[in-house]
Amino acid sequence: DAGVTQSPTHLIKTRGQQVTLRCSPKSGHDTVSWYQQALGQGPQFIFQYYEEEERQRGNFPDRFSGHQFPNYSSELNVNALLLGDSALYLCASSLNPRGTQYFGPGTRLLVL
Amino acid sequence: AQSVTQPDIHITVSEGASLELRCNYSYGATPYLFWYVQSPGQGLQLLLKYFSGDTLVQGIKGFEAEFKRSQSSFNLRKPSVHWSDAAEYFCAVEHTDYKLSFGAGTTVTVRA
Repeated sequence: DAGVTQSPTHLIKTRGQQVTLRCSPKSGHDTVSWYQQALGQGPQFIFQYYEEEERQRGNFPDRFSGHQFPNYSSELNVNALLLGDSALYLCASSLNPRGTQYFGPGTRLLVL
Repeated sequence: AQSVTQPDIHITVSEGASLELRCNYSYGATPYLFWYVQSPGQGLQLLLKYFSGDTLVQGIKGFEAEFKRSQSSFNLRKPSVHWSDAAEYFCAVEHTDYKLSFGAGTTVTVRA
């Protein structure tokens, strides 16, 4: 049974560019949440997707957007990248919005 | 607002010795609490969770945690650590809207 998978594993971008990160949830899970983990800090909640809609959102600007597909996989898009967007981006899936969240290995984004 | 504090940034413990990691939460109602572990370059792995009932919770890898409402604490313990327990440990609380808030983490170093 595959767990949560994320792609790519690493990414280097320059300021002002746009990036798309991808997440496939654990089998049977229909809810995906995204977190940003800056170096030396705990993860910060970005948003949660359920039934192809953004259900909850953390304190992140509109440059951060997402999408959930009918197969429950999800994308995180970040526009107009800033140096401060450099972080590990974690995807978590759960059986439903209330379920325990299981995390993927993350995508390490470096913005130069 | 719900929040989590992990007072210890870094703990060093000898292999075979006991380990206790502290977690204090701020939450109005009965909290849903979690401990996750993150090995270098990896995502988060769920160690254990507390929802209700027995205040002593058993998890994977020989870890346990005790919920103490009077002290607003949810400390993680392991009787005898192994070198493979060296990692970063995060305590988290679930909000009423199901998102997780994490502490800043405690790095555990295991010396031979």
